[in-house]
Amino acid sequence: QKEVEQDPGPLSVPEGAIVSLNCTYSNSAFQYFMWYRQYSRKGPELLMYTYSSGNKEDGRFTAQVDKSSKYISLFIRDSQPSDSATYLCAMFPEAGGTSYGKLTFGQGTILTVHP
Amino acid sequence: EPEVTQTPSHQVTQMGQEVILRCVPISNHLYFYWYRQILGQKVEFLVSFYNNEISEKSEIFDDQFSVERPDGSNFTLKIRSTKLEDSAMYFCASSGIAQFFGPGTRLTVL
Repeated sequence: QKEVEQDPGPLSVPEGAIVSLNCTYSNSAFQYFMWYRQYSRKGPELLMYTYSSGNKEDGRFTAQVDKSSKYISLFIRDSQPSDSATYLCAMFPEAGGTSYGKLTFGQGTILTVHP
Repeated sequence: EPEVTQTPSHQVTQMGQEVILRCVPISNHLYFYWYRQILGQKVEFLVSFYNNEISEKSEIFDDQFSVERPDGSNFTLKIRSTKLEDSAMYFCASSGIAQFFGPGTRLTVL
């Protein structure tokens, strides 16, 4: 079983739609959860990060973490064509060990928002 | 807004040659990382660096790879004898908690 699984899509939605992106993971040690956006041949751009379970909102973006189900989500409201990119989930364990900060990434979901 | 920078943006080299990829992390960050992404594949962890030493390295990070923080601002990745399969995007990242990535260096090994 892969440590982090993410449906690669592609996902195509009309402008204004609500987008739901998801990842599942198997390592219960993961405590920090990140979402990145990546354009072709560019570096990952941090969108949001959360610690442990719960929700976090930033503008049109909402991140949710359900540690009991080992499931994380990113919601994009009022999606725009400029949101078209690959979205990567990534996570790492609690502080105090050598693996602190070692991000394990999902495959990435390719999103296209068409006008 | 502070950002991670990387040079060069593209490096072409012959198999067996040494390459050095350079990064300038965000100035008040304490943790530094290298990742790579082979075209069409996921981003993979190579190495983490804290307090002037390697914290953890992956199986990919074998004896051909080394990292260094030669001064207070630069962080480098050296590949001693490049192989064809080293062709990839290499990303540097730095963090307090959240990791910020540089734009990457595209390494092409011929």
